[in-house]
Amino acid sequence: DAKTTQPNSMESNEEEPVHLPCNHSTISGTDYIHWYRQLPSQGPEYVIHGLTSNVNNRMASLAIAEDRKSSTLILHRATLRDAAVYYCILRDVGFANAGGTSYGKLTFGQGTILTVHP
Amino acid sequence: DGGITQSPKYLFRKEGQNVTLSCEQNLNHDAMYWYRQDPGQGLRLIYYSQIVNDFQKGDIAEGYSVSREKKESFPLTVTSAQKNPTAFYLCASSFNLGTSGGEQFFGPGTRLTVL
Repeated sequence: DAKTTQPNSMESNEEEPVHLPCNHSTISGTDYIHWYRQLPSQGPEYVIHGLTSNVNNRMASLAIAEDRKSSTLILHRATLRDAAVYYCILRDVGFANAGGTSYGKLTFGQGTILTVHP
Repeated sequence: DGGITQSPKYLFRKEGQNVTLSCEQNLNHDAMYWYRQDPGQGLRLIYYSQIVNDFQKGDIAEGYSVSREKKESFPLTVTSAQKNPTAFYLCASSFNLGTSGGEQFFGPGTRLTVL
């Protein structure tokens, strides 16, 4: 499985933008880049994903380098509720079963602990 | 409300006992997954199922068993053969979306402690 590298921790002030980096130098052409976040003692929550182009949704933006070897999750205005562990994951496209469907395995690393200061 | 439920939230068992963790979803998802998380670590895949009556081993399946008799349910049994069962267990589900990137929805988790 392709691996990702993230800083162990980052800090931000409330209302400021946060840029969370992720390196994935061994990414293959069919790997999607996924971001999830996890609050203490809760299940992970999907944030965003992309393949080649930059992506925006209501939670965040994902900027993908042209060579796809790195990406950055952007929280435009951090709030205290954004304090969590953020995981950058390369999604294995998986394999097709007899029914023609496939699934994508998520391989979680240790993630980045984001601290947001009031 | 649609979602994934796991029960119980906390579970205590004596060493050597089998224990079954419940996972139910009403999102009409085809695929379901079980992960294990140890303190300060990321999630590791135990088992997954793409369709009813079919499931596959993940990265750390030894000492665990699953069944998928209904689309909505994917229970996990932690057997006495699992050498270090104390952990946080998370269930997830998703649509089978071919080659597109599909999100997984996670339940609230069950924290298992073996005494």
